[in-house]
Amino acid sequence: EIVLTQSPGTLSLSPGEGATLSCRASESVNSNYLAWYQQKPGQPPRLLISAASTRATGIPDRFSGSGSGTDFTLTISRLEPEDFAVYYCQRHGGSPYTFGQGTKLEIK
Amino acid sequence: QITLKESGPTLVKPSQTLTVTCTFSGFSLSARDVGVGWIRQPPGKALEWLALIYWDDDKRYSPSLKSRLTITKDTSKNQVVLTLTNVDPVDTATYYCAHKLVTDAFDVWGLGTVVTVSS
Repeated sequence: EIVLTQSPGTLSLSPGEGATLSCRASESVNSNYLAWYQQKPGQPPRLLISAASTRATGIPDRFSGSGSGTDFTLTISRLEPEDFAVYYCQRHGGSPYTFGQGTKLEIK
Repeated sequence: QITLKESGPTLVKPSQTLTVTCTFSGFSLSARDVGVGWIRQPPGKALEWLALIYWDDDKRYSPSLKSRLTITKDTSKNQVVLTLTNVDPVDTATYYCAHKLVTDAFDVWGLGTVVTVSS
């Protein structure tokens, strides 16, 4: 079973800065079927990126995904106040549809 | 427009069986490649995928919970039901259902239903 490890656990940044979040898989993710979600308190997760780099409908282009095999990255180019949240990666191409443990992006 | 809504009990006693229902609209679970999954989140903790059912009745389960989970669908009612047997306080969580196509991610989520396991 693939394990997804996200780093860092918490990232403290200021609005306007760039953010880099990492997701490492214990074995290769088939066809790079790796998704990123954003979750704010009291809300369900929102899909940002699928297949490692494809932005979901309505997601601003300051969000970008990259990577392949076992190493994936979510980059937020210029942080807006609404971007401070928890981010999860997930393997979505085959069962089990494992999630990472999350990265909390907080305001510095 | 795709929407999903979870429903179920707010409080369940230990050792009992939890049943949660996902009622959806905007798509058909008889259409090729369509699936509905269940994901839960204990308070303050990470997301955990539980189960998923596809249009052709293919069912997938979390390996760690497989012996306790059952997922079914009622296409005529646009519902997916998840049962979890022999619940424990560690099963206290918000339970979400979400829409998925075969190789795609969970693109639309319900708001979740909060379930507490306590005597």
